[in-house]
Amino acid sequence: DTEVTQTPKHLVMGMTNKKSLKCEQHMGHRAMYWYKQKAKKPPELMFVYSYEKLSINESVPSRFSPECPNSSLLNLHLHALQPEDSALYLCASSQDQTVGRETQYFGPGTRLLVL
Amino acid sequence: AQSVTQPDIHITVSEGASLELRCNYSYGATPYLFWYVQSPGQGLQLLLKYFSGDTLVQGIKGFEAEFKRSQSSFNLRKPSVHWSDAAEYFCAVGDSNDYKLSFGAGTTVTVRA
Repeated sequence: DTEVTQTPKHLVMGMTNKKSLKCEQHMGHRAMYWYKQKAKKPPELMFVYSYEKLSINESVPSRFSPECPNSSLLNLHLHALQPEDSALYLCASSQDQTVGRETQYFGPGTRLLVL
Repeated sequence: AQSVTQPDIHITVSEGASLELRCNYSYGATPYLFWYVQSPGQGLQLLLKYFSGDTLVQGIKGFEAEFKRSQSSFNLRKPSVHWSDAAEYFCAVGDSNDYKLSFGAGTTVTVRA
């Protein structure tokens, strides 16, 4: 089973709202990722968690706050977002963080619209 | 750092015809190469990958890709496309010295009846 699940599928939020995106995998993977993808563009890496610890933050604004409660779960907390943050947010996981050798498996994404 | 080029932004192909998507990479050592497909509104699905060994790699959905070191290429092929192959295709390269997966810009495939 190579499934990564994400909830919700769609989310509409105002600029003053607080919301969270959730990602789950049960493949025993120890690395999990958040990506942001704009239409017709490739995914852009935001965060990497390795063994439940944040290992990479790609200079993402603090209005995005990741959290890894356990090895299967990854959250992305959203607060005071801007309209330009509207995008598809993808979660991925891999066996380990050594990206060169590891295959990343992606979830279906959460389509976020910020009004 | 590695980079990936997908020269074709958009390809239109007739159903039943063959398809080839180009991917060129820039990297000094042997790269780890991936092809992903993304259907509209969906996440990325791994089609196939190349790490070492046989340079012709078979993937899911009838796709194959060939690694050519001399041309720094990893082109994706399918002998006969189906309407369901209409999607965005991304080539990506991994580097054992870098945590990032570098994606190409993507190629949009349209399948006409």
